[in-house]
Amino acid sequence: ETGVTQSPTHLIKTRGQQVTLRCSSQSGHNTVSWYQQALGQGPQFIFQYYREEENGRGNFPPRFSGLQFPNYSSELNVNALELDDSALYLCASCPGGGRNTGELFFGEGSRLTVL
Amino acid sequence: TQLLEQSPQFLSIQEGENLTVYCNSSSVFSSLQWYRQEPGEGPVLLVTVVTGGEVKKLKRLTFQFGDARKDSSLHITAAQPGDTGLYLCAGARYGGSQGNLIFGKGTKLSVKP
Repeated sequence: ETGVTQSPTHLIKTRGQQVTLRCSSQSGHNTVSWYQQALGQGPQFIFQYYREEENGRGNFPPRFSGLQFPNYSSELNVNALELDDSALYLCASCPGGGRNTGELFFGEGSRLTVL
Repeated sequence: TQLLEQSPQFLSIQEGENLTVYCNSSSVFSSLQWYRQEPGEGPVLLVTVVTGGEVKKLKRLTFQFGDARKDSSLHITAAQPGDTGLYLCAGARYGGSQGNLIFGKGTKLSVKP
């Protein structure tokens, strides 16, 4: 069984640039959620994808967007990067179609630094 | 806005000591999870509690869900250096989309040998 994998693990961007982060969900999981974890904080829900459609969104501006592909992998895109976007971006997957059990399987994250 | 408050924020203890960390909210959750996160890694699920008053044990860790489903505690007996890490509580909202959790800020635990 393959766990959740994310790429890249680290990246540095400058203000105004755009970034794409990638995630492969755990085998058998069709639901992917993205979280932002700033230094010293808990993860904050960005959005979730189920069956290739956005299915729930947190308090993040539209410049945060995403995609889910037929193989359930997912991308997080952030446009017009700001300094405050510097954080660990976590992808989590779970088997979908049921109630919110809260049992998520996280990847190791992508550490984004915006200069 | 639903919030989960964790306390204490930081805890540094000696090996062999007992400790309790708390997770409190004014909101009711359908379930509550405890995760542990080590530096450079994603959170790993420790336990899910669903029923008010529920107590679950995982080796030296004891988890309790409050009767009103608004709060939870994690008790560690005879802490070991391997217990060091960031302990996060997270709540699943009623009617929330699957995978949409509210996390606390975490309790950073350091266990010294």
